[in-house]
Amino acid sequence: EDKVVQSPLSLVVHEGDTVTLNCSYEVTNFRSLLWYKQEKKAPTFLFMLTSSGIEKKSGRLSSILDKKELFSILNITATQTGDSAIYLCAVALQNTPLVFGKGTRLSVIA
Amino acid sequence: DSGVTQTPKHLITATGQRVTLRCSPRSGDLSVYWYQQSLDQGLQFLIQYYNGEERAKGNILERFSAQQFPDLHSELNLSSLELGDSALYFCASSAAGRQIGYTFGSGTRLTVV
Repeated sequence: EDKVVQSPLSLVVHEGDTVTLNCSYEVTNFRSLLWYKQEKKAPTFLFMLTSSGIEKKSGRLSSILDKKELFSILNITATQTGDSAIYLCAVALQNTPLVFGKGTRLSVIA
Repeated sequence: DSGVTQTPKHLITATGQRVTLRCSPRSGDLSVYWYQQSLDQGLQFLIQYYNGEERAKGNILERFSAQQFPDLHSELNLSSLELGDSALYFCASSAAGRQIGYTFGSGTRLTVV
């Protein structure tokens, strides 16, 4: 069975801290890994990673994929209260819909 | 606004009842996916339609069914509702059957009492 595991499940940090969110996967026919941010309602797309070792960056967020060890990390530097959200990791497989992890709930306190 | 429209936003109903959730995909997208999000289960895939045809099925209960109409909107029907069916139900759409690049709607929060 295809599996995506995220850790930690929840995290509380102070503004300005750097956080690392983890996503590991055990799947067949891997195509890519995606990160989403879910605030109030709809998950919104952050990154898609297909190749190992190539960092994707957007402002204070960055992510990297390790296809040998089957995991990805999402880093957020200089966190702000607006970063509080659930961060979802999903894996795209060949010919099947996205498989999601349970998410990491991040709370950033002032 | 993501371009994917879900109605209603909130729904409260009693056990044993039946409800219909509606989704209009983003313009031009042919695929519609339904996901259920419970507190401790993350996003669970229910079912996918592509251009009116069922394309993939996940852990969808027999009490649940869906369809996609010629205008590409989709409906998810939930019947004989139980307390455990209380969750956020998301619809997502993508272009031309591609499994990546989903756009999510804002979801329908279903509360069964």
